[in-house]
Amino acid sequence: GENVEQHPSTLSVQEGDSAVIKCTYSDSASNYFPWYKQELGKGPQLIIDIRSNVGEKKDQRIAVTLNKTAKHFSLHITETQPEDSAVYFCAAKAAGNKLTFGGGTRVLVKP
Amino acid sequence: GAVVSQHPSWVICKSGTSVKIECRSLDFQATTMFWYRQFPKQSLMLMATSNEGSKATYEQGVEKDKFLINHASLTLSTLTVTSAHPEDSSFYICSALPLAGGGETQYFGPGTRLLVL
Repeated sequence: GENVEQHPSTLSVQEGDSAVIKCTYSDSASNYFPWYKQELGKGPQLIIDIRSNVGEKKDQRIAVTLNKTAKHFSLHITETQPEDSAVYFCAAKAAGNKLTFGGGTRVLVKP
Repeated sequence: GAVVSQHPSWVICKSGTSVKIECRSLDFQATTMFWYRQFPKQSLMLMATSNEGSKATYEQGVEKDKFLINHASLTLSTLTVTSAHPEDSSFYICSALPLAGGGETQYFGPGTRLLVL
């Protein structure tokens, strides 16, 4: 089955700096890659996603890149703000509709 | 749009009792809903896939007789933890896949925290 690795597990950045989280996946058939933000005690919220026919997608301060050949994708957050502090999960979807999640990255934005 | 609710948000029960958790898609229909379990500081682990009108598909290692799933309508799926034990204490989260549009995006509920004493 699919296996998703996510790095780093924790990330501390100064407010205004950029944050980058990287994920690799194992199943070359995976074709959909969402990113979720989870705040303490809450369910995950979709922040951005990308499909395998696209190399990059941007939404204001958030961008995601995908390298299908290398089987890795990354989340970029620019101009970080304290409210960006949360746990971020990457995921990959192969056959069917099941998502496989990475281990999560705890991001702390220091004011 | 695409709001998913869960009820209750938290529950405390005695060992040996059963607990039912509801997952509702409030503004869309969902033929497929998913149930996840999350332990503290860990990732989401898929427990089962629930399809409206049919039996749920359980992931390897998940006891179907312990975690009963019913998806009776296009907007409601329930997870019943039967004969709960302290090791079942966890954060249970559902997600729903909208029927319309053929999309792939799963929308998650706010989660239900279960504590079994």
